[in-house]
Amino acid sequence: GEDVEQSLFLSVREGDSSVINCTYTDSSSTYLYWYKQEPGAGLQLLTYIFSNMDMKQDQRLTVLLNKKDKHLSLRIADTQTGDSAIYFCAEWLNQGGKLIFGQGTELSVKP
Amino acid sequence: KAGVTQTPRYLIKTRGQQVTLSCSPISGHRSVSWYQQTPGQGLQFLFEYFSETQRNKGNFPGRFSGRQFSNSRSEMNVSTLELGDSALYLCASSLQGALTGELFFGEGSRLTVL
Repeated sequence: GEDVEQSLFLSVREGDSSVINCTYTDSSSTYLYWYKQEPGAGLQLLTYIFSNMDMKQDQRLTVLLNKKDKHLSLRIADTQTGDSAIYFCAEWLNQGGKLIFGQGTELSVKP
Repeated sequence: KAGVTQTPRYLIKTRGQQVTLSCSPISGHRSVSWYQQTPGQGLQFLFEYFSETQRNKGNFPGRFSGRQFSNSRSEMNVSTLELGDSALYLCASSLQGALTGELFFGEGSRLTVL
């Protein structure tokens, strides 16, 4: 089936690490993505991971993939107030040529 | 390099009317996808065009249609508008199309149906 689940809210203090979790159902997904949406804006591609990788690091962002459990996480190190946004996890379905998005996790960073 | 441009950014229509939204992809990108974002349903795939052909389609009624021009610009049309069509419509372009899912989104067109 096509389903991506995320928790809806996360609140952290500035300077702490944030971890946003996601589970997906389609084991044939080849690419998994993290997008960021700020209020009133479109989606900004943050990072992605190919399904044969376990981890990918990109500056403050670390993506972990547990393919067996179909679990994806995004860690943001040294979280800043500017990181406050909604973060969407998405799996790419080759069949259908589309992204399946989670509901989005609203990250609130308190000073 | 200019990003994905969507027009109009905001519009208000009444039930029964139709609407056309426009999307100009990043230069060189030949694939254009459309997504609908609502608070209740989240982000849902509408359709994808590549080289003027619809390659993939989501589960939306026939009132939702689209097309792509030879310069890769795309339009989507919604006819006989319903209140539930109120949403943010996002266009995304891609260099490789339906291969990797690396999509670059525009700011969206926010449609309100009264």
